[in-house]
Amino acid sequence: AQSVTQLGSHVSVSEGALVLLRCNYSSSVPPYLFWYVQYPNQGLQLLLKYTTGATLVKGINGFEAEFKKSETSFHLTKPSAHMSDAAEYFCAVSRRGSQGNLIFGKGTKLSVKP
Amino acid sequence: EAGVAQSPRYKIIEKRQSVAFWCNPISGHATLYWYQQILGQGPKLLIQFQNNGVVDDSQLPKDRFSAERLKGVDSTLKIQPAKLEDSAVYLCASSLGVSPDIQYFGAGTRLSVL
Repeated sequence: AQSVTQLGSHVSVSEGALVLLRCNYSSSVPPYLFWYVQYPNQGLQLLLKYTTGATLVKGINGFEAEFKKSETSFHLTKPSAHMSDAAEYFCAVSRRGSQGNLIFGKGTKLSVKP
Repeated sequence: EAGVAQSPRYKIIEKRQSVAFWCNPISGHATLYWYQQILGQGPKLLIQFQNNGVVDDSQLPKDRFSAERLKGVDSTLKIQPAKLEDSAVYLCASSLGVSPDIQYFGAGTRLSVL
């Protein structure tokens, strides 16, 4: 069975600092990989996804993630944090060839200090 | 383009009462999902529709939860009778097809069962 582990339920960074949110997955076959962001009282919004091809994926708002098969990881990064990045971030996987069921991690809440 | 619409936004009920949630997906999206998001956790799929047929309802507590998607467009999710542990945010999402198609989420319905 597939699973997703997000290390750190809460990450705090200073404005302008590097953002690194960790995600590891467990799957016998590399799945499709996603990062979603959730702002307070809003639904989830897709930041980026990896399906095939280039392992470094660029998303919206300056975020990017790198798929590392050997490490079964898909960590999310942003070079310089902005106050508006404060939100909860969810990593999710979907098994290739499946009907599209997303399995989410527990989420990481990002705080940005001025 | 209109997003995924959900109503109501908030609902408070007492245990053993019944409740219903409504979702209107993005026009033209064949696939509709209902997720349950308990505080501090990632969303968990309850049921997935492809047009008006059920694709996956393996995690739907069928003794108390039911869902339908009439005419392959709008959908309703019902809980009867509600339990305390049903307190959560219920998210509806839609996509054109199946993964890795992007899932677009509504703002959710926050249910409190007292």
